Amino acid sequence: AQSVTQPDIHITVSEGASLELRCNYSYGATPYLFWYVQSPGQGLQLLLKYFSGDTLVQGIKGFEAEFKRSQSSFNLRKPSVHWSDAAEYFCAVGASQAGTALIFGKGTTLSVSS
Amino acid sequence: GAVVSQHPSWVICKSGTSVKIECRSLDFQATTMFWYRQFPKQSLMLMATSNEGSKATYEQGVEKDKFLINHASLTLSTLTVTSAHPEDSSFYICSARDGGIGSYNEQFFGPGTRLTVL
Repeated sequence: AQSVTQPDIHITVSEGASLELRCNYSYGATPYLFWYVQSPGQGLQLLLKYFSGDTLVQGIKGFEAEFKRSQSSFNLRKPSVHWSDAAEYFCAVGASQAGTALIFGKGTTLSVSS
Repeated sequence: GAVVSQHPSWVICKSGTSVKIECRSLDFQATTMFWYRQFPKQSLMLMATSNEGSKATYEQGVEKDKFLINHASLTLSTLTVTSAHPEDSSFYICSARDGGIGSYNEQFFGPGTRLTVL
């Protein structure tokens, strides 16, 4: 079955500390992978995406993610977290086939302590 | 970049009434639009996929007669919640695929519509 697992429901990180949010996927075809961020009551903002090529992708706001096929993982990282990064983060997987929807993980809530 | 809007951003209605939510792609033509539903503190769940000019494809468990989807043009899809009840209260998010960007399945999300049914 196709699925996305985000093992951590809630993470608290000190401001200035590094961050890693985990994402594992199960997908039958070549996966296209995404990370989105959602602030309370808001829509989704795309942080970064992986289609092919370099397995380390850079996104907006200083985020990066690494695709590891052998581990079926696409973990999101940031070297230094800012208070404004507190939000809900969703990992998603989709197919290359046009017209197919994305499958989302359950999300990880990030809290940033001062 | 590609922009998707939703209207209204929030709506409160009485039980038994119908509510229409619009999803528009502002600067591209969307051959396919998706409607998701998100309950508080939960992830997005796909409700249906709509392709311009054809009937929507609903996910298992989603009542097509209750959630009417119309995708009459390449820039507009509507979701109508008919005879709404309190359990329909949720955050509804649409996404649109830019049919002009090769074959890649990249989607752009609207800001969402908060529906509260009293």
